[in-house]
Amino acid sequence: DTAVSQTPKYLVTQMGNDKSIKCEQNLGHDTMYWYKQDSKKFLKIMFSYNNKELIINETVPNRFSPKSPDKAHLNLHINSLELGDSAVYFCASSQWGASSSGANVLTFGAGSRLTVL
Amino acid sequence: AQKVTQAQTEISVVEKEDVTLDCVYETRDTTYYLFWYKQPPSGELVFLIRRNSFDEQNEISGRYSWNFQKSTSSFNFTITASQVVDSAVYFCALSEAQNNDMRFGAGTRLTVKP
Repeated sequence: DTAVSQTPKYLVTQMGNDKSIKCEQNLGHDTMYWYKQDSKKFLKIMFSYNNKELIINETVPNRFSPKSPDKAHLNLHINSLELGDSAVYFCASSQWGASSSGANVLTFGAGSRLTVL
Repeated sequence: AQKVTQAQTEISVVEKEDVTLDCVYETRDTTYYLFWYKQPPSGELVFLIRRNSFDEQNEISGRYSWNFQKSTSSFNFTITASQVVDSAVYFCALSEAQNNDMRFGAGTRLTVKP
């Protein structure tokens, strides 16, 4: 049973299109994230939600809009896709501030590879 | 915001050699957490270890060991008797307790040759 699942795994689309990536976690965590990994493997945080509230919003173009309908889901919608949006997008979740050894440990999904042509 | 530096972009070793991956961090927070993640060629991100800022004890797990030194703001990772399966990109990361905002270093690509 996958802990953090994201769909689709691969997405190939044309410039200018709108696309969404979905993420779900079944770990009972209260915080979810989106990270972008570029071709040089650099991992950059984009957004973070805690209990459905946006807490981290990095300098990401407003074409990217996260939506968290509940604690277990964090979806990423991208409008007017550009070539530079091509990357692997990772969803992750964690439990914020827990005192256990698992506190703040991010569990990642398998990644969604977006290719914009 | 916090910063994590992994100066080694790529390292190549021969199987059975020991290898150390360096990680240096910056933060103004007194309470923070340090992490190492592994990304094998298959692409998933695998959690290896978490250390909090109050615990400077070194840790050993099988062939892996970690050396945390607050005096030099470093959290280095050593693999003893490396194996081909250790080939991956390794990321060091830091999360400040106040905001749970995890920032990653640029990663070190380790290649272990048979």
